[in-house]
Amino acid sequence: GAVVSQHPSWVICKSGTSVKIECRSLDFQATTMFWYRQFPKQSLMLMATSNEGSKATYEQGVEKDKFLINHASLTLSTLTVTSAHPEDSSFYICSARKNWGFEAFFGQGTRLTVV
Amino acid sequence: DAKTTQPPSMDCAEGRAANLPCNHSTISGNEYVYWYRQIHSQGPQYIIHGLKNNETNEMASLIITEDRKSSTLILPHATLRDTAVYYCIVRARDDKIIFGKGTRLHILP
Repeated sequence: GAVVSQHPSWVICKSGTSVKIECRSLDFQATTMFWYRQFPKQSLMLMATSNEGSKATYEQGVEKDKFLINHASLTLSTLTVTSAHPEDSSFYICSARKNWGFEAFFGQGTRLTVV
Repeated sequence: DAKTTQPPSMDCAEGRAANLPCNHSTISGNEYVYWYRQIHSQGPQYIIHGLKNNETNEMASLIITEDRKSSTLILPHATLRDTAVYYCIVRARDDKIIFGKGTRLHILP
């Protein structure tokens, strides 16, 4: 099956710093990628939809200036958490959908801990 | 908001068939039924999807009622590795994927 890779798998950063998470579709092109956040024992919450070459669309309540999304190519989208705070600690997951397919494929997730 | 209703948890004995129900009474004609699962601390894994006919693949079978208002995911011979949260999602082909709370499936040895 198609592979989506996230990097890093986990990261610890100091409060006030920024962290960048990469999401790559390794063997297919993805016009659209999605970013989710998941807190412990909760479901995945969609944060934003990332479209190659255009601005991301953010879900209601998600701060676009805090969670910067760039989708510069058909195989790479990045999420930057700016000025991170402890409440941003979470499991961040990306998903990529094949241009002509039904399924969406998910990365393995990135666990962010802000101290 | 999620358009589906699933039981919060289920148990199944190892080696038996696991039948996970999902209600989606407001499903539209162009919406498909998708199933994903998430094993602890991993990203979700696609299992199967269908529109109105029953579907089967190497992982599972999907049974959709004739009125399309509910469906059942069947894992024919559950193993301990099938312990996960299973999400039933309805969406049109190009829609974003919105997750509900899912069903936490425990496979009992």
